[in-house]
Amino acid sequence: GAGVSQSPSNKVTEKGKDVELRCDPISGHTALYWYRQSLGQGLEFLIYFQGNSAPDKSGLPSDRFSAERTGGSVSTLTIQRTQQEDSAVYLCASSSPGTANYGYTFGSGTRLTVV
Amino acid sequence: GQQVMQIPQYQHVQEGEDFTTYCNSSTTLSNIQWYKQRPGGHPVFLIQLVKSGEVKKQKRLTFQFGEAKKNSSLHITATQTTDVGTYFCAGRGTSYGKLTFGQGTILTVHP
Repeated sequence: GAGVSQSPSNKVTEKGKDVELRCDPISGHTALYWYRQSLGQGLEFLIYFQGNSAPDKSGLPSDRFSAERTGGSVSTLTIQRTQQEDSAVYLCASSSPGTANYGYTFGSGTRLTVV
Repeated sequence: GQQVMQIPQYQHVQEGEDFTTYCNSSTTLSNIQWYKQRPGGHPVFLIQLVKSGEVKKQKRLTFQFGEAKKNSSLHITATQTTDVGTYFCAGRGTSYGKLTFGQGTILTVHP
């Protein structure tokens, strides 16, 4: 697609429920990243995919968080047994290593609210 | 692990004044990038600096990468109300892999 697409744009869930966040990167972008941003804060790294593999998952806060990427394209971030501290905007970005412009293209994010 | 510190956290300026934000890394960086996030929006890539001492300009914006490749700055000349937003630096320790973002500088421009 023309840009990075994330869904849903907003998600309100009850504490203890599981949620799935989806990211559809720019076609052909091999690298995909998940970050989260709490209100007024910086971007906290969660996980990085190169193709379907995740060489760096050091930012996942706990074993309640997992992510996968299939077909070198769509990625899903799953949060199990959500807690209130999980409330944040979850941002996905993709990039194409090896090109001169190696910046991230971010999606519009999923705003997760755990009540 | 790698840490990227950014100052100031907030900056209020009158339209027409200059603005500078500074970024410092705890380790030597392979490259550094700058992003702008408008209120309610998502970060948008501005530029990447790779070489020691590199200076790049985009209209009123000047980006610098330090000689030691551990610090960087963004300077905006004669700010406009369209410059409002949060400016993030983001450093990469190796040529590939994740970016570590600074906390950002929130710029407010008063007309």
